[in-house]
Amino acid sequence: SAVISQKPSRDICQRGTSLTIQCQVDSQVTMMFWYRQQPGQSLTLIATANQGSEATYESGFVIDKFPISRPNLTFSTLTVSNMSPEDSSIYLCSVAPGDRTYGYTFGSGTRLTVV
Amino acid sequence: SQKIEQNSEALNIQEGKTATLTCNYTNYSPAYLQWYRQDPGRGPVFLLLIRENEKEKRKERLKVTFDTTLKQSLFHITASQPADSATYLCALGNQAGTALIFGKGTTLSVSS
Repeated sequence: SAVISQKPSRDICQRGTSLTIQCQVDSQVTMMFWYRQQPGQSLTLIATANQGSEATYESGFVIDKFPISRPNLTFSTLTVSNMSPEDSSIYLCSVAPGDRTYGYTFGSGTRLTVV
Repeated sequence: SQKIEQNSEALNIQEGKTATLTCNYTNYSPAYLQWYRQDPGRGPVFLLLIRENEKEKRKERLKVTFDTTLKQSLFHITASQPADSATYLCALGNQAGTALIFGKGTTLSVSS
């Protein structure tokens, strides 16, 4: 299965600023997924990122707030813009397996605290 | 709207016992269901996948059942160990390669 390197692992940011989270995959993948996990909550899908096209955002998430880049088949970034304390959460990237017999692979997560 | 419920937020059991976790869903017809383990500060790690046409899957001390009529999956850890203490997430998928939908998870604590 794929291996994902996600950076940074954690950060504390001032409100009003932006943070860019990076995910590097060790193999080419068609789609990458970005999730948010708030304390005590399930993983909520933010958007699906395909290489060469705009990301598809879920209801409640907008491109201006969470711009995503997908420059190639092994890399993606998620930016959390104009942050507020409500954005404090764990952000995770994920990729689907090439074979449906295997599960999805996740990055180790970025724990974001906005003060 | 689609909804996934995991039976309890926390489950405490004694070492050696069988832990049983429940995942129920509504307004969804998944092609497959997956279980993940998540440790604090880490991303989820895949454990087992079961398809809609399968009733049961086993892997070492783990067993998953899937009842599409009841819209329920049961996840069993037999001979549980303190190292099994973690949060376990249920996830549903429809098509290959599309995003998963997750439950909130059940935090299992196994005491020695």
